[in-house]
Amino acid sequence: EDQVTQSPEALRLQEGESSSLNCSYTVSGLRGLFWYRQDPGKGPEFLFTLYSAGEEKEKERLKATLTKKESFLHITAPKPEDSATYLCAVQANSNYQLIWGAGTKLIIKP
Amino acid sequence: EAQVTQNPRYLITVTGKKLTVTCSQNMNHEYMSWYRQDPGLGLRQIYYSMNVEVTDKGDVPEGYKVSRKEKRNFPLILESPSPNQTSLYFCASSYDSSGNTIYFGEGSWLTVV
Repeated sequence: EDQVTQSPEALRLQEGESSSLNCSYTVSGLRGLFWYRQDPGKGPEFLFTLYSAGEEKEKERLKATLTKKESFLHITAPKPEDSATYLCAVQANSNYQLIWGAGTKLIIKP
Repeated sequence: EAQVTQNPRYLITVTGKKLTVTCSQNMNHEYMSWYRQDPGLGLRQIYYSMNVEVTDKGDVPEGYKVSRKEKRNFPLILESPSPNQTSLYFCASSYDSSGNTIYFGEGSWLTVV
């Protein structure tokens, strides 16, 4: 069964304290892996798409990486405005259905 | 500005009273979908539409209906809402069915009592 698991559920960091969020997946052939950011009371907002193991994408303080079993969202020197829930989704080659993880709630304290 | 607009944003209704959540996008996207988001669960797709007059069931379609008569609009209909449909609903639109660059509405909080 295709599955996506994100960890940790919640992460509290001090401003400037770098860390990583994890997205583990099980799919029969990866079509794509996607990262989204969701602010409270808002819809998710697209961040990155990764297609193959070894691929990396960067945007400001965020860097997403991909292996054959998981993806990491690395946050370098985070600021309070990086506080949000980060969602991961995968799409299998076998169908067009997106499978979403439950998200990691990131809190950055000043 | 690229936008997905859904209404109402907040609604409390009673069991069995039909309701419609409207959704409109201004990006000329062909692919639109509805999701529900519940605590501890990932986004779950309710219905999707690949184009006008073409709709199909997602993961959790029971108790919902949709229609796509115009490209920009994709309303979600709850014919006889029940308390287990209390949730946060998102309308989404994208160029295609991949997970790449999906635009989401701001969400509709629905409570069924």
